[in-house]
Amino acid sequence: AQKVTQAQTEISVVEKEDVTLDCVYETRDTTYYLFWYKQPPSGELVFLIRRNSFDEQNEISGRYSWNFQKSTSSFNFTITASQVVDSAVYFCALSAYSGGGADGLTFGKGTHLIIQP
Amino acid sequence: DGGITQSPKYLFRKEGQNVTLSCEQNLNHDAMYWYRQDPGQGLRLIYYSQIVNDFQKGDIAEGYSVSREKKESFPLTVTSAQKNPTAFYLCASSIGLAGYNEQFFGPGTRLTVL
Repeated sequence: AQKVTQAQTEISVVEKEDVTLDCVYETRDTTYYLFWYKQPPSGELVFLIRRNSFDEQNEISGRYSWNFQKSTSSFNFTITASQVVDSAVYFCALSAYSGGGADGLTFGKGTHLIIQP
Repeated sequence: DGGITQSPKYLFRKEGQNVTLSCEQNLNHDAMYWYRQDPGQGLRLIYYSQIVNDFQKGDIAEGYSVSREKKESFPLTVTSAQKNPTAFYLCASSIGLAGYNEQFFGPGTRLTVL
């Protein structure tokens, strides 16, 4: 069985602060994929990043960066110099393709990020 | 513009009634999914489909039914057998079913049972 844990239910920071969202996952599969999605107040999920289990390189995209560590089964997400527009619920998700067909994404419960002006 | 549309945005239902949520995509994706989101919870998979006329149950399929008669359409019916249907429902699609394909989501339908 797969599981994704986002222990931080809600985080509130002041604009321009850096903030890290934690994600810990569990899977028995050796091949798997990790995702981060952003859900703004409108409700639609927006894809941010995908990382496969064989690629542990960290990634940076503008103010966003991701740290993938298989040794600790973590895939953390950092926003540098946060902005009010970053306020949203962020979901970490896991997908494992086990050869018999994928079964969708397993989501964490999400972290509600509040950026105060 | 390519994307996923869901209708209606808000839906109210009386207890004991069946209701159908619409999901249409023009991305030419083979795979489509339905998720349920409850307050403070992540998304849970209801049903998914890899190809026309084929679909599989997800983690919480009881009380729901789907059809996939056309590639671009994947409607979800919430039946009276669903004990607690009030939730936010999200439809998604991806190029294929393989786990590495990112899923694209629609704007969602918020269902309230009166």
